[in-house]
Amino acid sequence: DIQMTQSPASLSASLGETVSIECLASEDIYSYLAWYQQKPGKSPQLLIYAANRLQDGVPSRFSGSGSGTQYSLKISGMQPEDEGDYFCLQGSKFPWTFGGGTKLELK
Amino acid sequence: EVQLVESGGGLVQPGRSLKLSCAASGFTFSNYGMAWVRQTPTKGLEWVASISTGGGNTYYRDSVKGRFTISRDNAKNTQYLQMDSLRSEDTATYYCARHGGLRVDYWGQGVMVTVSS
Repeated sequence: DIQMTQSPASLSASLGETVSIECLASEDIYSYLAWYQQKPGKSPQLLIYAANRLQDGVPSRFSGSGSGTQYSLKISGMQPEDEGDYFCLQGSKFPWTFGGGTKLELK
Repeated sequence: EVQLVESGGGLVQPGRSLKLSCAASGFTFSNYGMAWVRQTPTKGLEWVASISTGGGNTYYRDSVKGRFTISRDNAKNTQYLQMDSLRSEDTATYYCARHGGLRVDYWGQGVMVTVSS
């Protein structure tokens, strides 16, 4: 199985600060990488797919980058509504696997 | 508006069965692959199973192979997860999710399954 190592596990950011979250795959996943935000008691919401494509309706302060085994999610200017848990998902090969998650809080 | 509504969860004893349903609306169901994903506080998110648009191809994580069966009825816009020989480690919130092309884009609200005596 492809292992997805996500870091950091938790993060505290000030209003307007730029935040980065990383996912490292145990093998090349050919940009089959998505990022999700999840708020307490809610289902995950897609932010980025195919490593760098912004899902419709997602604010442009969210961006994704990476290739091969290394991927990152950037939030350019933390907003209060960005608090939540963030996950990466690799869809390159079954079984699909998720990163362990990052809890993002507003400082 | 895309909607995925799961049902069928609950409390079940180890070794027993449960069948989850996911009713889809707001899109052409037969054009999309579908999946089940589960989540627990300790293990996080785990992909469980996927099914192709026509239902001819199915995929499972190893821990549920031979016990869970994913299926779909395109005439009813519904997918299912038949869960047999349930174990305590299957306890989780189960999400129905849509996937097409490069993305798993919509998720249902989730349904709780608790396996306990």
